[in-house]
Amino acid sequence: DIQMTQSPSSLSASVGDRVTITCRASQSIGRYLVWYQQRPGKAPDLLIYDASTLQSGVPSRFSGSGSGTEFALTISGLQPEDLATYYCQQTSRTPRTFGQGTRLEIK
Amino acid sequence: QVQLVQSGAEVKKPGASVTVSCKTSGYTFTAYYIYWVRQAPGQGLEWMGWINPNSGGADYAQKFQGRVTMTRDTSISTAYMDLSSLRSDDTAVYYCARSTSSTGGDYWGQGTLVTVSS
Repeated sequence: DIQMTQSPSSLSASVGDRVTITCRASQSIGRYLVWYQQRPGKAPDLLIYDASTLQSGVPSRFSGSGSGTEFALTISGLQPEDLATYYCQQTSRTPRTFGQGTRLEIK
Repeated sequence: QVQLVQSGAEVKKPGASVTVSCKTSGYTFTAYYIYWVRQAPGQGLEWMGWINPNSGGADYAQKFQGRVTMTRDTSISTAYMDLSSLRSDDTAVYYCARSTSSTGGDYWGQGTLVTVSS
């Protein structure tokens, strides 16, 4: 199975900050990487697929980058509603493994 | 609009089985895979497997092989996930999600809490 490792596990930032979460795959997955946002008590929402393509309706302050084994999710201009846990998932091979999540807190 | 509506919460005893349904609407059911993902209390997301509603073929994570069965009924656009030999560590919220082969889950059900307790 492909292992997905996110860092950091948690972070705290202020409104307006630029935040970056990284995701590393244990082997190359090309650009088959998606990012989700999960607000407390809710189902996940798809933010980005194919490493950098913004899902329809997602604010442009979210962006994704990377390929191969190293990926990043950046939030430019953090908003209070971005309080959530963020997960990466590889969609290259089954099982479609997730990262362990990054909990984002707003200062 | 696309909707995935899951069945209600379940309480089961260890050793029992549970079936969670996922009724879809607003799109062509056979054109997208259905993922099943679970989340134990306070934990992360865990991919259990997926089913191709067009063919009925399913692919399961090794961890669940032999205990999980994913099926579908195309006549009512509904997918099902059966999990048997339940243990306390199967207590989790179970989600279904619509997916293409590479884009991940773009629409999700509301989740079904399955509690396993004696």
